Amino acid sequence: GAGVSQSPSNKVTEKGKDVELRCDPISGHTALYWYRQSLGQGLEFLIYFQGNSAPDKSGLPSDRFSAERTGGSVSTLTIQRTQQEDSAVYLCASSSPGRSATQYFGPGTRLLVL
Amino acid sequence: AQRVTQPEKLLSVFKGAPVELKCNYSYSGSPELFWYVQYSRQRLQLLLRHISRESIKGFTADLNKGETSFHLKKPFAQEEDSAMYYCALGTASGSRLTFGEGTQLTVNP
Repeated sequence: GAGVSQSPSNKVTEKGKDVELRCDPISGHTALYWYRQSLGQGLEFLIYFQGNSAPDKSGLPSDRFSAERTGGSVSTLTIQRTQQEDSAVYLCASSSPGRSATQYFGPGTRLLVL
Repeated sequence: AQRVTQPEKLLSVFKGAPVELKCNYSYSGSPELFWYVQYSRQRLQLLLRHISRESIKGFTADLNKGETSFHLKKPFAQEEDSAMYYCALGTASGSRLTFGEGTQLTVNP
C-alpha cells in the first residue's frame, strides 16, 4: 500500500513568511508525528497526534509553530514568520497506537529560509 | 527527562570486519529501544527493536539495563550497510520517540 507522503518535497521561503507543510499518513494509522532534522542534529520531536486525544505539543520550539490534523488523517504543520534557524528537514511519521508500534516515515520536506 | 547518546558521529570499517554502533540512554522508567536506518536517498525506516529480539540483515542489539545501553552489532559488515543509523527511545508516557544524533556508517571495500 501507499506509504506516508509529504508535500512539498522542497520549500524555499523568505524570512518572515509563513509556510505550510502537509503530511498524508498511512490509511488506518491513528498516530501521527512531526519531527525536525537539522543539519548535524538528530531528529527532534515536535508534535504527536493520537486519534481524538489532545495532541502532545511539548516539542514545538516556539509559538510560531502549530499543527493540526483534520478528520484524523491529513496533518498540516504551519510555521509563521519563518526564521533562518527554521531551515531543516521536517519529517512526518505515522503508526498504529502503542509505544512498541513501528513508526513509518515520509520522505520529508526540506525547508530553506533565506 | 529522557536522552539518547550516540557517541560516534562517523564510523568507518572495512568489508567483512565486525561493526558496533554504540547507543546509551537515560530514562528512569521501562524503556523501549529501537534502531532506525536511513540509506542514501531513502526514507528513515525501522531496522530492529529490542522487544523483538530478532536479527535483521545480520544486525543484532541487546538491551543492557545495567549499562543503559543498546549497542548495534554485526559480525561481518557489508558495503550495503553503509547508511545513517539512529538509536531511538520510547517511554511509558506515549509513543513519541527520542532519537540520538545518529552515526554515519561507511563500509569500505
